[in-house]
Amino acid sequence: AQSVAQPEDQVNVAEGNPLTVKCTYSVSGNPYLFWYVQYPNRGLQFLLTYITGDNLVKGSYGFEAEFNKSQTSFHLKKPSALVSDSALYFCAVRDLQTGANNLFFGTGTRLTVIP
Amino acid sequence: GAVVSQHPSRVICKSGTSVKIECRSLDFQATTMFWYRQFPKKSLMLMATSNEGSKATYEQGVEKDKFLINHASLTLSTLTVTSAHPEDSSFYICSASEGASGQETQYFGPGTRLLVL
Repeated sequence: AQSVAQPEDQVNVAEGNPLTVKCTYSVSGNPYLFWYVQYPNRGLQFLLTYITGDNLVKGSYGFEAEFNKSQTSFHLKKPSALVSDSALYFCAVRDLQTGANNLFFGTGTRLTVIP
Repeated sequence: GAVVSQHPSRVICKSGTSVKIECRSLDFQATTMFWYRQFPKKSLMLMATSNEGSKATYEQGVEKDKFLINHASLTLSTLTVTSAHPEDSSFYICSASEGASGQETQYFGPGTRLLVL
């Protein structure tokens, strides 16, 4: 069965410092991984995705994520956090083996960047 | 990029009434649309998957007679919450993808906040 875990409900980081939002996944086949961001009272916005190729994926707003197959992780990173990055971040996975088109989401991590 | 809109963005209704939420893909044809519900402090929960011209596939535990989904065209899907109750109050989000191969990115709408009094 597919599942996604975001072990941290809340991450606080000072502006200008690097940030990491953790995500681990479980699928029966090869994963198709996503990060989405949700700003208050708004829908989700796509940040980046990994399906194959380089393990380091670059996305929107300076974010990147590193796919680690042995650790089944897909942590979201940014070298220098901005106050405007404060939002709710969701990791999601689709199992390519099942052919299902729906996403399985983690519970979300609230990122707060402190000025 | 692909844009998905939802209407209305916010709706307040009385208990027992029905509410329709529209999800539109503005610049692409959405073969598949998904409806999610977001609970406070919880993840997004997939409610149903709809393919244009066919009946929606509901997730376990979702009442299909209560949450009516219609995907009448390649750019429009509607979710109707029938006989709404306060426990139906939530944030409903739709997403759309161009194909059904499992490799397309889903594009999300801005969400609709439903409050049932």
